[in-house]
Amino acid sequence: DQQVKQNSPSLSVQEGRISILNCDYTNSMFDYFLWYKKYPAEGPTFLISISSIKDKNEDGRFTVFLNKSAKHLSLHIVPSQPGDSAVYFCAARKQGAQKLVFGQGTRLTINP
Amino acid sequence: GAGVSQSPRYKVAKRGQDVALRCDPISGHVSLFWYQQALGQGPEFLTYFQNEAQLDKSGLPSDRFFAERPEGSVSTLKIQRTQQEDSAVYLCASSYRTTFYGYTFGSGTRLTVV
Repeated sequence: DQQVKQNSPSLSVQEGRISILNCDYTNSMFDYFLWYKKYPAEGPTFLISISSIKDKNEDGRFTVFLNKSAKHLSLHIVPSQPGDSAVYFCAARKQGAQKLVFGQGTRLTINP
Repeated sequence: GAGVSQSPRYKVAKRGQDVALRCDPISGHVSLFWYQQALGQGPEFLTYFQNEAQLDKSGLPSDRFFAERPEGSVSTLKIQRTQQEDSAVYLCASSYRTTFYGYTFGSGTRLTVV
């Protein structure tokens, strides 16, 4: 069963506009959520995270929103830049656990 | 080293062959993780070490998969009698804390079984 889902395999956004990537989860035991960015032939790199006690976390151009009642989180990138073109993974962790459960990823393409 | 180093970067194995994948974590990192990423999917957890102790191996798909970290530093993931469904990128990650703090991934080893 897919506990973390990213239903959009791809997203195309114009440079300078806002990119919104979505993620849904099913397990209410998840208490910490992360977004990773991955370029081809490289490992995932950490982007931003949020604890379940918060509903928003911001870091520069990146903001993550968490809606616990809907079991939904989203990553907003504004303004989008060409270097943001990559695959983005949502991941979640159960309380007390070390392992992460990842979504399938969304390929973001920023068009000039 | 500066980052998590994995070798080889690419490995082609004939079906039935045994393979060994190596991970050099960041120096001083206590926790080490292995993940498997199939084409078009997200990484899936395989196993976790804290120093030399393998604390969680619940993600290993079969008894053909074996991981070790004998001195609490370098780790090796071994796959015996490889099968085509083992074709994937194998990612290693490490963290300097024992409590969860997120981790740093290596670039992975792409295994292709033919």
